[in-house]
Amino acid sequence: AQTVTQSQPEMSVQEAETVTLSCTYDTSESDYYLFWYKQPPSRQMILVIRQEAYKQQNATENRFSVNFQKAAKSFSLKISDSQLGDAAMYFCAYRSAATGNQFYFGTGTSLTVIP
Amino acid sequence: KAGVTQTPRYLIKTRGQQVTLSCSPISGHRSVSWYQQTPGQGLQFLFEYFSETQRNKGNFPGRFSGRQFSNSRSEMNVSTLELGDSALYLCASSFYQRVLSQETQYFGPGTRLLVL
Repeated sequence: AQTVTQSQPEMSVQEAETVTLSCTYDTSESDYYLFWYKQPPSRQMILVIRQEAYKQQNATENRFSVNFQKAAKSFSLKISDSQLGDAAMYFCAYRSAATGNQFYFGTGTSLTVIP
Repeated sequence: KAGVTQTPRYLIKTRGQQVTLSCSPISGHRSVSWYQQTPGQGLQFLFEYFSETQRNKGNFPGRFSGRQFSNSRSEMNVSTLELGDSALYLCASSFYQRVLSQETQYFGPGTRLLVL
C-alpha cells in the first residue's frame, strides 16, 4: 500500500509570512494524483490544491502553491502571505490512477498563524 | 449545490452496541467513501461505494460495513462497538466514474462517535 508521510506535526508562521509544509510519499506507480486538504478546527475538510503526477508544472491556487518533485517523491505546500484563516490541520493525500478512488492520507500538520 | 451532509453529527454509545451513520453526497455524485479519523492513526480509508456496489475496501474488521442506495446516499454500520471505535467518521463524495480521473473528493462535516 502507498504511504504518505508528513514529518512536521506542528508548524507556526507569522501573519503575512510564508510557510512550507512537507510531504513525502512512497509508491511504485508512475501515474497518480496528489492533494492537499485543509481541516480548520471543528470544521469540515476542504481541498486546497491538487497535482497530477504526469504534469511537470507545479500547481498554484492563489496564495497556495506546491513544489512537486516526482523523482524524490516529495510534494510540499507553500502558503504565501499567511492569514489568520489559514490556521488549520493540513493533510497531504495520494490517490492512485490505477487502483480506484481510494485516498491515502498523511497524519497531518497543524499550522498556527501568529498575529 | 448543497455539500455533503452527514447525520447525526454527534453520537454517544456504549460498548457492545451498534451504530448506523448516514451520508448524503453532493447531488450528481455517485461515489461515496468513508474514513475514520483518530488523533493517533489519522485518516484511514474504510470503504468506497459506487452505484450501490462496494468498489474498494480498507483494512478494517467485518464489524464495519456499509451500503449505498439507489439515490447514492450511503450508510455505514458498526456492530459490537469497542472503545477504540471512538473517532470522527468522515464521508466524502465525488463524481468519479472511471479510474483515470482527476476528480477529487469533497468531504462532509463528519460524525463524532464516542464509545463509553
